[in-house]
Amino acid sequence: GDSVTQMEGPVTLSEEAFLTINCTYTATGYPSLFWYVQYPGEGLQLLLKATKADDKGSNKGFEATYRKETTSFHLEKGSVQVSDSAVYFCALRGLQGAQKLVFGQGTRLTINP
Amino acid sequence: NAGVTQTPKFQVLKTGQSMTLQCAQDMNHNSMYWYRQDPGMGLRLIYYSASEGTTDKGEVPNGYNVSRLNKREFSLRLESAAPSQTSVYFCASSEALGRARYQETQYFGPGTRLLVL
Repeated sequence: GDSVTQMEGPVTLSEEAFLTINCTYTATGYPSLFWYVQYPGEGLQLLLKATKADDKGSNKGFEATYRKETTSFHLEKGSVQVSDSAVYFCALRGLQGAQKLVFGQGTRLTINP
Repeated sequence: NAGVTQTPKFQVLKTGQSMTLQCAQDMNHNSMYWYRQDPGMGLRLIYYSASEGTTDKGEVPNGYNVSRLNKREFSLRLESAAPSQTSVYFCASSEALGRARYQETQYFGPGTRLLVL
């Protein structure tokens, strides 16, 4: 079945550092790919998404490119801020079983000033 | 526009007790979902309702029942709570129009933290 694998956390960085959170997936066909963010004590919010190969999703300085050849959707940000501290989830939604999101295990990110 | 709301925010139950988690959305979405979040496991789908009047099992439905009361509301019931059901429960909704529904964003509520002793 469909699955998502994220780099394990927790990840701790200093403010203004470069961020990469790796995400790879297994799915049939061309799923849609998502990054959700969960701030402390809150629900999940969509950060960005991409619905076809080579699409780049971007929001709030974060970017991720849908790479079909490597089945990856890595999240990047050039200069992180303390306010980016949160848990980040990579997820996919496939053509089959399109009702559900399949989530990775989440990566906790802490940014120190 | 409140989005997706859930009640209660936190609940403690004893083993064997029952309770209902409530969820409502004001975005006129067709589909609604219940997920549970456990440490190190991401979120897993419990049940979903593709449209008003329909419900289907997700990945981990055992021990739960659901009711799609109307287009706005989707409740999750634990008939006899067990410690294994200690988790954070999230409700979500999506518009679910047409054949491109797999591209749609799901919108999440703030969650209900449940502790079963």
